[in-house]
Amino acid sequence: RKEVEQDPGPFNVPEGATVAFNCTYSNSASQSFFWYRQDCRKEPKLLMSVYSSGNEDGRFTAQLNRASQYISLLIRDSKLSDSATYLCVVNFQKLVFGTGTRLLVSP
Amino acid sequence: ETGVTQSPTHLIKTRGQQVTLRCSSQSGHNTVSWYQQALGQGPQFIFQYYREEENGRGNFPPRFSGLQFPNYSSELNVNALELDDSALYLCASSLGNRQGATLHFGNGTRLTVT
Repeated sequence: RKEVEQDPGPFNVPEGATVAFNCTYSNSASQSFFWYRQDCRKEPKLLMSVYSSGNEDGRFTAQLNRASQYISLLIRDSKLSDSATYLCVVNFQKLVFGTGTRLLVSP
Repeated sequence: ETGVTQSPTHLIKTRGQQVTLRCSSQSGHNTVSWYQQALGQGPQFIFQYYREEENGRGNFPPRFSGLQFPNYSSELNVNALELDDSALYLCASSLGNRQGATLHFGNGTRLTVT
């Protein structure tokens, strides 16, 4: 089983839609969690950290469920500029990246 | 503030050769991590350097080695290149080796092994 698993997508959504990605992780001792965004042929950039109580940053909401070992990212009112690959990242002694979920937002 | 810079941006090598990739960390950052990202995959952790010493290593063979210099810049060396080493190599710097410190990535070096 992979340490971090994500649906690779792509998720094709129209502008204005709400879309959610899930990610599962195998190590219950994992200590911290993040979502990174990676544009095509660019480097990953931190989108947001994920806290146990859930957290929101504008149109983006992240949730963590430690009991079920998954984290989620919700994007509301999708914009064309949200098109990218979203990487789930879990920290246990080192940062472990998922394969990423590709999002395509169309007009 | 100077970001993370990597060189070269692209590189083509043949199987069996050796390669050195370079990374300058973001100003003020003393920790450098190296990642390998194959096409369609997420970045895979190679190793991390903190204050010039290796501070953690992923599942990569010994032919992947590195250095960190007193100015915190870093090199990744790969010996006896194999076709599967073709990937994007990302360097990331952070402040301190605290678990979960925010990584600031460079643009990467795209290595092609033929």
